[in-house]
Amino acid sequence: EIVLTQSPGTLSLSPGETATLSCRASQSVISGYLAWYQQKPGQAPRLLIYDASSRATGIPDRFSGSGSGTDFTLTISRLDPEDFAVYYCQQYGSSLLTFGGGTKVEIK
Amino acid sequence: QVQLVQSGAEVKKPGASVKVSCKASGYTFIGYYIHWVRQAPGQGLEWMGWINPNNGGTNYAQKFQDRVTMIRDTSISTAYMELSRLTSDDTAVYYCARVWRAYYPTFDYWGQGTLVTVSS
Repeated sequence: EIVLTQSPGTLSLSPGETATLSCRASQSVISGYLAWYQQKPGQAPRLLIYDASSRATGIPDRFSGSGSGTDFTLTISRLDPEDFAVYYCQQYGSSLLTFGGGTKVEIK
Repeated sequence: QVQLVQSGAEVKKPGASVKVSCKASGYTFIGYYIHWVRQAPGQGLEWMGWINPNNGGTNYAQKFQDRVTMIRDTSISTAYMELSRLTSDDTAVYYCARVWRAYYPTFDYWGQGTLVTVSS
């Protein structure tokens, strides 16, 4: 099982700032098969990024993903009030899909 | 538009089973795998398995292998997830989610979630 560790657990930032979220895998994620989701309270997750760096349909370009192997990053530039939420990474390089524990981006 | 609509909240006693439905609309049901993911209160996401609506093939996470059954009814474009021998640890919101690219399981549409509460 590939364990995904997200850090930090909570990020306190102001609107307009840049958020940098980390997702570290316990072993290499094949072909960068890593996705990022956003989840707001009471809602289902929303796909933001797939294949480590490709934005899903309709996702603003202030969201960007990078990384390979075991280290991946989600960057949110110019934080908008609607961006304050919990973010999860997910790997699909192995048949046992796993998610990270999440990073909460909160308003400072 | 694509929609996945799940059945309503359930309260079950320990040892019982629960069956959650996920009705798809707005796309060709048999063309996209459906996965099930759960989320315990205040916790992260946990993958449970998938079903191929085209042929009924399934793959379950080992953790749930002996307790979960995923089936589908193509005549009504609905997938089902049944979890047996429930314990309090199974209290969670259960989501169905559609895989938008075959063989690359990321999820573009999700159901609204079904809260299953296990309590004596």
